[in-house]
Amino acid sequence: DVKVTQSSRYLVKRTGEKVFLECVQDMDHENMFWYRQDPGLGLRLIYFSYDVKMKEKGDIPEGYSVSREKKERFSLILESASTNQTSMYLCASRSTGYNYGYTFGSGTRLTVV
Amino acid sequence: AQKITQTQPGMFVQEKEAVTLDCTYDTSDPSYGLFWYKQPSSGEMIFLIYQGSYDQQNATEGRYSLNFQKARKSANLVISASQLGDSAMYFCAMWEEDFGNEKLTFGTGTRLTIIP
Repeated sequence: DVKVTQSSRYLVKRTGEKVFLECVQDMDHENMFWYRQDPGLGLRLIYFSYDVKMKEKGDIPEGYSVSREKKERFSLILESASTNQTSMYLCASRSTGYNYGYTFGSGTRLTVV
Repeated sequence: AQKITQTQPGMFVQEKEAVTLDCTYDTSDPSYGLFWYKQPSSGEMIFLIYQGSYDQQNATEGRYSLNFQKARKSANLVISASQLGDSAMYFCAMWEEDFGNEKLTFGTGTRLTIIP
């Protein structure tokens, strides 16, 4: 069964900490995405990547960075976590040229205290 | 303007009844795709159904159908014979591609509760 795996289901971090959210897919997909989900706002795109070492800003990139050193892994980095980054984070992937079938991970619920 | 609008924050429906979840979208691109996803309390986004902008027929997947009205820019999800397991958040999303950059934009979601 194809999968997108997010390393942590729940995470609690302190303000100012550097936080890494990891996402791994086993489908050999080129495209990977990071979204955050907040009540009443739906899902909003933070960053995406079309290939290894390639990244593009989404709608709300401020306060975040990403890393894609290997095709299967896409990391979201909070350089200095703040309380307004408390949210559910969802990773997704899909294959190029296949315009449906985004596969999502189960999400990481991050709380910054 | 919102790209994807879901006007129903919550809905309560009796088990076995049909339910329609509303979704309107806004785009000037002739080529786009529309998705519906289900998100149960476990958090995972589950793909339900897809409609391409050039598809002539409304998409159907089992109990799910998409009522696509292109002129009205409407893509409502219809669930027939609802079940208790259908209780979840439902998101409408639109896929667009612009000079090789793709984007999947989500609505704010509808929380569906099925009543026994």
